[in-house]
Amino acid sequence: SQQGEEDPQALSIQEGENATMNCSYKTSINNLQWYRQNSGRGLVHLILIRSNEREKHSGRLRVTLDTSKKSSSLLITASRAADTASYFCATANSGNTPLVFGKGTRLSVIA
Amino acid sequence: EPEVTQTPSHQVTQMGQEVILRCVPISNHLYFYWYRQILGQKVEFLVSFYNNEISEKSEIFDDQFSVERPDGSNFTLKIRSTKLEDSAMYFCASSGEGAGEKLFFGSGTQLSVL
Repeated sequence: SQQGEEDPQALSIQEGENATMNCSYKTSINNLQWYRQNSGRGLVHLILIRSNEREKHSGRLRVTLDTSKKSSSLLITASRAADTASYFCATANSGNTPLVFGKGTRLSVIA
Repeated sequence: EPEVTQTPSHQVTQMGQEVILRCVPISNHLYFYWYRQILGQKVEFLVSFYNNEISEKSEIFDDQFSVERPDGSNFTLKIRSTKLEDSAMYFCASSGEGAGEKLFFGSGTQLSVL
């Protein structure tokens, strides 16, 4: 299975701190994506990084990809209470197959 | 900003009944998906649909499930005879860029089978 696995399962930090979440996967990928889900809501796409990229930024988000280790990390800098949500990584392999999601990391940012 | 809309937001049904979950994908998107999420757990792929046919389906998507794009705007998921274990949040998603690319998700339909 190419399914990504996020680590940690849950993370609690103070507002203003940085939050780092990790994702590991098993097979070769075409791209890796991160999504956010507020409680009881749909998933919202945050960022996509392709297999030939190593790092990508979007606002306070920084994503890295290490294809040799089959892992990715999502860094949220200067976290806010509004960043409280579940964060999922999703992988797409090279066969045009659908995205496969991990189990997610539940982030709590305490004001 | 265009969005994927799903109706109803909640659906309660008796075991063995048929349910139809409805979705209106973003209008110029060509790739459509159904995922489901059992409370607090991972998001599981059910089926993908492109060019008026199923392109991929998971083991979950058995003979009790079907999808349809009846009129060029709606995309439906039908469960013929619901089971207790079908209780979950069902998400519709669409993409304009191809399989494995960025997905736009609806807000979901919470299905409760009693």
